[in-house]
Amino acid sequence: GAVVSQHPSRVICKSGTSVKIECRSLDFQATTMFWYRQFPKQSLMLMATSNEGSKATYEQGVEKDKFLINHASLTLSTLTVTSAHPEDSSFYICSASRAGGHNEQFFGPGTRLTVL
Amino acid sequence: AQKVTQAQTEISVVEKEDVTLDCVYETRDTTYYLFWYKQPPSGELVFLIRRNSFDEQNEISGRYSWNFQKSTSSFNFTITASQVVDSAVYFCALSEVGSGGSNYKLTFGKGTLLTVNP
Repeated sequence: GAVVSQHPSRVICKSGTSVKIECRSLDFQATTMFWYRQFPKQSLMLMATSNEGSKATYEQGVEKDKFLINHASLTLSTLTVTSAHPEDSSFYICSASRAGGHNEQFFGPGTRLTVL
Repeated sequence: AQKVTQAQTEISVVEKEDVTLDCVYETRDTTYYLFWYKQPPSGELVFLIRRNSFDEQNEISGRYSWNFQKSTSSFNFTITASQVVDSAVYFCALSEVGSGGSNYKLTFGKGTLLTVNP
């Protein structure tokens, strides 16, 4: 149990386009979902925390108008990178936790974004 | 603010050697959780262990063992008789319990790249 999927696993796009990444909890209801970004050979940096039905909370330095997060249901959160630029190229990982989950986050497999 | 330090950026060992990955953390809370994750080249994070701040018992799982010492704020991870398949980046992480016991965010260390050579 506690499986999280991400789609797509890999995406290449042109500079200026928008890209949507989906994060789904497959066998549990995720009250909270988290979005992380990982640059090559670096650690995971939390971008934002989203709770179902409410606005996401962004970490300092993360532009909320550039990284749009929607947590429309208890099993789906989406991250849209708007007007992507090469510097947005990164590995994006989502995680999900459930109510009463004792602080455990279940991670998706990640999405590798390359902006040309 | 919470902080996790993994001082070892890279470690290289020969197969069958034991190796210890260090993790030191900082937090002002008395209730918190510590984690270790493995990230192989594929990128997917693999959960290894979670330990709460009230449980200082050391844990062993097969070739893996963890040493939690609150006195030194350390949560070290040892792999015994390492294998080539253990090659990966290993992350230590800290989570503080939010108000009302709600889920809270993880702070990751910078990771240690372990290379096990045949």
